[in-house]
Amino acid sequence: GQQLNQSPQSMFIQEGEDVSMNCTSSSIFNTWLWYKQDPGEGPVLLIALYKAGELTSNGRLTAQFGITRKDSFLNISASIPSDVGIYFCAGSPGNEKLTFGTGTRLTIIP
Amino acid sequence: DTAVSQTPKYLVTQMGNDKSIKCEQNLGHDTMYWYKQDSKKFLKIMFSYNNKELIINETVPNRFSPKSPDKAHLNLHINSLELGDSAVYFCASSQDRGPQHFGDGTRLSIL
Repeated sequence: GQQLNQSPQSMFIQEGEDVSMNCTSSSIFNTWLWYKQDPGEGPVLLIALYKAGELTSNGRLTAQFGITRKDSFLNISASIPSDVGIYFCAGSPGNEKLTFGTGTRLTIIP
Repeated sequence: DTAVSQTPKYLVTQMGNDKSIKCEQNLGHDTMYWYKQDSKKFLKIMFSYNNKELIINETVPNRFSPKSPDKAHLNLHINSLELGDSAVYFCASSQDRGPQHFGDGTRLSIL
């Protein structure tokens, strides 16, 4: 099945640093979603994007829907310890089928 | 007031057994899903139901059979469990083609 290429695979940062991750696809999507998964829990929706070029913020998180509709970016500013987890992008061509990225594992070094 | 709830949270069983996982959502959504997350954390859709009708059926062994008694419930029955079935299974729901909301997962371990 199709996978979305998500990078980086893992990040080790210090508290207070900004974080950037991205997701690319070989096909066009009409919806991009970003989720965060904590250990032992299910993915939790962070941001939903519905229009090419759209830039949406949720607190310290900002995500963008790429103009080509084949990529999306997530930025986290001034990271804090509770940002630790696995971040997933997910794309949909406009139906119920959601394809997930390979995940970015974020670790904060004390 | 859990939105999407799955039971059991943990399931440990022997190869060859048959088991079921239950899912319920109280969000009033009309579409429900089952996903499998492997040991590398890759999430892949298995099935989707819209108002009790199967709309997505990915390449999944026919040992896996979903059942939706009503639009708030989607259960997953697995026959003749194999070692490769060990994974975390997530239920999710959405309203139409809106964002999907996930349960906390069922960790299935096959001995």
